[in-house]
Amino acid sequence: AQKVTQAQTEISVVEKEDVTLDCVYETRDTTYYLFWYKQPPSGELVFLIRRNSFDEQNEISGRYSWNFQKSTSSFNFTITASQVVDSAVYFCALSEAERASYDKVIFGPGTSLSVIP
Amino acid sequence: DGGITQSPKYLFRKEGQNVTLSCEQNLNHDAMYWYRQDPGQGLRLIYYSQIVNDFQKGDIAEGYSVSREKKESFPLTVTSAQKNPTAFYLCASSIDQETQYFGPGTRLLVL
Repeated sequence: AQKVTQAQTEISVVEKEDVTLDCVYETRDTTYYLFWYKQPPSGELVFLIRRNSFDEQNEISGRYSWNFQKSTSSFNFTITASQVVDSAVYFCALSEAERASYDKVIFGPGTSLSVIP
Repeated sequence: DGGITQSPKYLFRKEGQNVTLSCEQNLNHDAMYWYRQDPGQGLRLIYYSQIVNDFQKGDIAEGYSVSREKKESFPLTVTSAQKNPTAFYLCASSIDQETQYFGPGTRLLVL
């Protein structure tokens, strides 16, 4: 069965600190997609990144970076030099492509990040 | 601008009343979804639709109904059978089964 775990329920950091949000997933499929979404206080989920299971290259986008490691089934998200605007709930999600099923994007429980000025 | 719109932003329901949440997208996406989010919780799938005139139940469909008469629109009705409807409702769409893009959400409150 597929599962997404985000063990950190809440994190608080002081502005300009780096912070890493953990995501561990479980799947039996060899082809799958991993996602990160940001949910600011306004409520809308904002898509940040999608990774497929065959691409283990780490990705950097500005202050954001993602570390995908199949060996540990992890897809961690790091924010460098955090800012107050980064305060949000962040969701990690998994979709098993081999299932060809639209109903199987599984979201983790989310990590609430507070960046304190 | 392309995107997903949801209305209203806030909705109040009286006991025994059916209410309908609107979701419209102009992204030309085939698939659309409805999720429910409770405070401090993740997302749970209510219904999804892959094509017009077809939809499937998600994990928590009881007390909800949907229709998909047009590609752009996927309204959700919260019926009186849903005994605990207070939640944040998110609509999403995708061009395939991969990346889902979300609307701004509707907060439903019971009077």
